[in-house]
Amino acid sequence: TQLLEQSPQFLSIQEGENLTVYCNSSSVFSSLQWYRQEPGEGPVLLVTVVTGGEVKKLKRLTFQFGDARKDSSLHITAAQPGDTGLYLCAGDNTDKLIFGTGTRLQVFP
Amino acid sequence: DTEVTQTPKHLVMGMTNKKSLKCEQHMGHRAMYWYKQKAKKPPELMFVYSYEKLSINESVPSRFSPECPNSSLLNLHLHALQPEDSALYLCASSYFSGTGTGELFFGEGSRLTVL
Repeated sequence: TQLLEQSPQFLSIQEGENLTVYCNSSSVFSSLQWYRQEPGEGPVLLVTVVTGGEVKKLKRLTFQFGDARKDSSLHITAAQPGDTGLYLCAGDNTDKLIFGTGTRLQVFP
Repeated sequence: DTEVTQTPKHLVMGMTNKKSLKCEQHMGHRAMYWYKQKAKKPPELMFVYSYEKLSINESVPSRFSPECPNSSLLNLHLHALQPEDSALYLCASSYFSGTGTGELFFGEGSRLTVL
């Protein structure tokens, strides 16, 4: 069974702080996706990383794919209340996506 | 049009009822998915349809019966459900290339309550 463990599970921070979310697996994936889900909505794709060691930036969000394509991280700089939500990594093993355990982020003004 | 539309948004049913959840997309995607999401948990894959054929069933109980009438529609028929089946049911679609799932586009979900 392929598992994707995310840490931390919960994160409650003040506006302006930085944070990092980790996504770890013992399995290799062809690519890894990060989604954000807000209450009452379905998950929305933030980024896809494909190459080992790849780094992608999306405004204040920086995503990194591990060299061995088994793990990934999401770093948010100067968090804002609008970043609040459930962050999900998802490993693509060709025929299906396997979602990570999720990180629930709350950013207070 | 980059939307996946799910109906109904909310559904309350008894354990003896038969109901259906519906999902529609007009993005030309050839893969469609049903996920189940319990509160504060990640989505769990239930079924995958590729080119209108069921390609993955994640050992889902037979009281859940998927149907893909055409490439734009996906249904989930519900019968004799249990209270523990109460959850948010998410439909998703993707452009399935055969070399990877690709980006999943999710609907807003159907929140199901089984009494």
